[in-house]
Amino acid sequence: GDSVTQMEGPVTLSEEAFLTINCTYTATGYPSLFWYVQYPGEGLQLLLKATKADDKGSNKGFEATYRKETTSFHLEKGSVQVSDSAVYFCAFYGGATNKLIFGTGTLLAVQP
Amino acid sequence: GAGVSQSPRYKVAKRGQDVALRCDPISGHVSLFWYQQALGQGPEFLTYFQNEAQLDKSGLPSDRFFAERPEGSVSTLKIQRTQQEDSAVYLCASSPRQGSTDTQYFGPGTRLTVL
Repeated sequence: GDSVTQMEGPVTLSEEAFLTINCTYTATGYPSLFWYVQYPGEGLQLLLKATKADDKGSNKGFEATYRKETTSFHLEKGSVQVSDSAVYFCAFYGGATNKLIFGTGTLLAVQP
Repeated sequence: GAGVSQSPRYKVAKRGQDVALRCDPISGHVSLFWYQQALGQGPEFLTYFQNEAQLDKSGLPSDRFFAERPEGSVSTLKIQRTQQEDSAVYLCASSPRQGSTDTQYFGPGTRLTVL
């Protein structure tokens, strides 16, 4: 069935380090792909999305490329900041009603 | 403009009580989703409305869960005879249409604790 596999956390990095959070998915067809972020004490926010193969979504220095061949959508950022500390969720639209299928989330902790 | 709002933000219920959780979607949004997020997990789909029609309720865990959106705007998720396993954050999301590229916008959630 439809599912998302995300890199387990927590991921602990020093400020200005390079970030990769791996995400692979199992889905029927080629769904839209998303990264959502949940900052401490806040609700889920869309970080970026890609709607077709080879699309690159980007926002706030984060990037992810829709890789159809490897069914992956890895999140990257060249230089993380303390303010990036949050839980990151990879997700895609599944089924006829476009419900979101989420991974379990990856906690990122950035230390100064 | 205003985002998705949910109330109450926190709810504590004794086991066996009924609860009602409210969602106010973004004005004019056709699609409305409910998700359940257990501690340390990703959100899981519960049910979907297109305007007032409930088109998918495949994620509702039992017949104690009931959702409605009678006028195609505000939605209520009701849980009857709450159990401890119902403790979770309940998230509401809305999107403008039902398009495969539309973004879902989430509310802050209602944290339900069943004692």
